[in-house]
Parts: sequence; structure tokens; C-alpha cells
Amino acid sequence: QVQLQQSGPGLVKPSQTLSLTCAISGDSVSSNSAAWNWIRQSPSRGLEWLGRTYYRSKWYNGYAVSVKGRITINPDTSKNQFSLQLHSVTPEDTAVYYCARLVGGAPDIWGQGTMVTVSS
Amino acid sequence: QSVLTQPPSASGTPGQRVTISCSGSRSNVGSDTVNWYQQLPGTAPKLLIYSNNQRPSGVPDRFSGSKSGTSASLAISGLQSEDEAEYYCAAWDGSLNGYVFGTGTKVTVL
Repeated sequence: QVQLQQSGPGLVKPSQTLSLTCAISGDSVSSNSAAWNWIRQSPSRGLEWLGRTYYRSKWYNGYAVSVKGRITINPDTSKNQFSLQLHSVTPEDTAVYYCARLVGGAPDIWGQGTMVTVSS
Repeated sequence: QSVLTQPPSASGTPGQRVTISCSGSRSNVGSDTVNWYQQLPGTAPKLLIYSNNQRPSGVPDRFSGSKSGTSASLAISGLQSEDEAEYYCAAWDGSLNGYVFGTGTKVTVL
């Protein structure tokens, strides 16, 4: 079955870059029917979709307005995974970060979540 | 931050029926399908209902979804203790060009 395994640091300093990776098993990051998303959750902001990457004959990305300009989501076909980079973080970016597969309009498979704290 | 509005809490005794509402707008619930998620403490959200009223394999038929206009609902029939969780609605928003979630509803089994 499809599984997503997240990895990355749980503590990031203010103004630095948050980097997380999501390894895919049971599906392909190059799938023509899936999109690969990052979503975060915090008490103050609730569940918040951050962006996605997907392949439809070529690669596309889409990002939430709230983080546009600070976010990069990249696929890595050689390792069948995708990554999140969030630049210039502040304590407001403290949250649990999830990767998720979206198929047929619904994120159906989620990673285990990574608690990321932004603090000096 | 959440674009879709849900009641903060709902409750019922075992065996009762509980309904959770989700209010959106023309750019999200009104123009795209609604999905529902169940989240137990310390775990990732789990897809409960997709495309307004479809259940993924393994989800009990006690859970059902519906949509009308810019509102949607999740019903839990025959409430069980293991249904105690947070529930979220979600949909694609064409104006924001992004996926949006509800504010969440905490269901308590009395």
C-alpha cells in the first residue's frame, strides 16, 4: 500500500530555512494522477495547505498565498520523494508539518507528521 | 486562517446520531466536492468521506456525507466511543487556487 515517510529537523532558528523530505513507497512522484502536497497544523492557524507539486507531461507547482515567495516544493525522481523548503521562518511557522498525496481531489494518504519548532 | 466554518463541538450518547455542518462559499464548497477527515489525538488526519458522499474502503457505513449549495454535512449514525475525535471538512478553492480546510469540530461521546 502507499506510504509516506517524512524526515527532517524538528528545530529551526528564526530567519533560517525549514527543510523537510517525504519519501514515497507504493506510488511514484511522477504519477500522472496524483499531486504531492505539504500541509501544516497549528493551534492558531488550524490545518493549512501550503502547496503541491505534480507531473502532467511536465512538472507543475502551486503554492498557498500565505507562504508564496518563501516556499519551494521540489520532486526528486531519483529517490521517489519530494521536499519542502520554507525560507525566512518566524515563530509563526511553528507547526506540525504533513506531506500528503492528493488523488481525485482529496488528500488520501498522509505522512506521520513532523513537529517543527522555530526558536533560537 | 480556516476558510470553511464548522461548529467547535458536537456530542451524543452511544448509539445516537450526530451531524456536523460545514459552511463555505461559491468558490469552494459551492463549486467543488467536499472531503471529510477524522483526526485522533497525536495522529495525522484520516480521509473519511471524499467527493461529498463517498467512503474509502474500510470506513464504516455509519459515516455519511452530503452537500447542498455552499454547505455540507457529515453524519455519524450509531455513535461509538471510538468516534470521539476532531472532524474537518475540506475542499478546493478556485479563487484562492488552493486547498482549504474547516475550523474543525470536536465530537465527544457522552
